[in-house]
Amino acid sequence: GAVVSQHPSRVICKSGTSVKIECRSLDFQATTMFWYRQFPKQSLMLMATSNEGSKATYEQGVEKDKFLINHASLTLSTLTVTSAHPEDSSFYICSAREDRNSLQPQHFGDGTRLSIL
Amino acid sequence: DQQVKQNSPSLSVQEGRISILNCDYTNSMFDYFLWYKKYPAEGPTFLISISSIKDKNEDGRFTVFLNKSAKHLSLHIVPSQPGDSAVYFCAASPIIQGAQKLVFGQGTRLTINP
Repeated sequence: GAVVSQHPSRVICKSGTSVKIECRSLDFQATTMFWYRQFPKQSLMLMATSNEGSKATYEQGVEKDKFLINHASLTLSTLTVTSAHPEDSSFYICSAREDRNSLQPQHFGDGTRLSIL
Repeated sequence: DQQVKQNSPSLSVQEGRISILNCDYTNSMFDYFLWYKKYPAEGPTFLISISSIKDKNEDGRFTVFLNKSAKHLSLHIVPSQPGDSAVYFCAASPIIQGAQKLVFGQGTRLTINP
């Protein structure tokens, strides 16, 4: 149980393109999903908390207009990297948490490797 | 400022013996601690967690110990098996109004030798 699917696993595109990444909880409902970014040789860094039916909560230093988050249902959150540039190249990974209580663990997707040429 | 630190980048243990992975944290607001295991090309897989009201949690071969005064937690795996070879991450979060904000360590690569 507690499977999170993330798609696509890898994207290579030209500078200026917008890229959408999907995160789905397959066998549970998740009011809250999370988006992380990982730079080389660094640990996962929380970018934003995605809340179903309301606006995402962004961490300090993360541009809301650059990284658009939509949490349209209890099983789907999307991250859109708008007008991507080479400095946006990174590893992006999502997680989802069952809603039972605050001590439920987050379950992660397999991540998306984004490369902007 | 690294709030969660795993000071050992790698650890090698013989099959059947105990593996002990360590993690230190600096933020006294952390209430919830987790260990994740990661294989190459996959996302982290949840292993075990502990809340700050406990000092030990056990699940099969995995036991997590929390020492709040020392701001230290450890993961014990016994007996270690070849399939345990992976990168292990500890993570910590305050719990504020039900919300989590996980902070991850840098990971420790565990290798189990046959």
